[in-house]
Amino acid sequence: DQQVKQNSPSLSVQEGRISILNCDYTNSMFDYFLWYKKYPAEGPTFLISISSIKDKNEDGRFTVFLNKSAKHLSLHIVPSQPGDSAVYFCAAKVVRVGNEKLTFGTGTRLTIIP
Amino acid sequence: DVKVTQSSRYLVKRTGEKVFLECVQDMDHENMFWYRQDPGLGLRLIYFSYDVKMKEKGDIPEGYSVSREKKERFSLILESASTNQTSMYLCASSLEFGEAFFGQGTRLTVV
Repeated sequence: DQQVKQNSPSLSVQEGRISILNCDYTNSMFDYFLWYKKYPAEGPTFLISISSIKDKNEDGRFTVFLNKSAKHLSLHIVPSQPGDSAVYFCAAKVVRVGNEKLTFGTGTRLTIIP
Repeated sequence: DVKVTQSSRYLVKRTGEKVFLECVQDMDHENMFWYRQDPGLGLRLIYFSYDVKMKEKGDIPEGYSVSREKKERFSLILESASTNQTSMYLCASSLEFGEAFFGQGTRLTVV
């Protein structure tokens, strides 16, 4: 039962353009969402997060949008740069004491074309 | 900077061996996690721990056990390694309600 889904295994975008990565979830109890970036042979690194009380969070070139009614979030990268080529995972959790379990999606491989 | 260190980058073990994967974090985080990453399956949680000597099963605990005797150290144990446990293993730590920080990963091959 995949509670967090990334339906696009891969995405190619021209350098300088916008990259949009999508994520859907099925568990309506999730109230905190995160995006991680992973290079080959390295561990994932945290990028940006959003709480369910917001619908947008921005950090530099990265913006995450949350649509709770559609159970959908997206990560926008503008402008895309070659160093953005990596696998991106979205993750979700239910925020409550003693529960730090993150549920991850299957990942989207982003390739930025110079 | 948070540092999560996994003892090995690459390991090759034989079927039936007992395997220990070690993870140390230096930021006094309460929570520690073990995930495995497989192509097309993303990151799946094996076990996590929210305090010393405390552990909780994740989504795929079968064939694994864990040990947390000290706050900074979380060990994953494969009691009897099998070929279907060939994977990338990732350790992470976090504060309560904070984002998780990951180690560099251990690529385990069971032959």
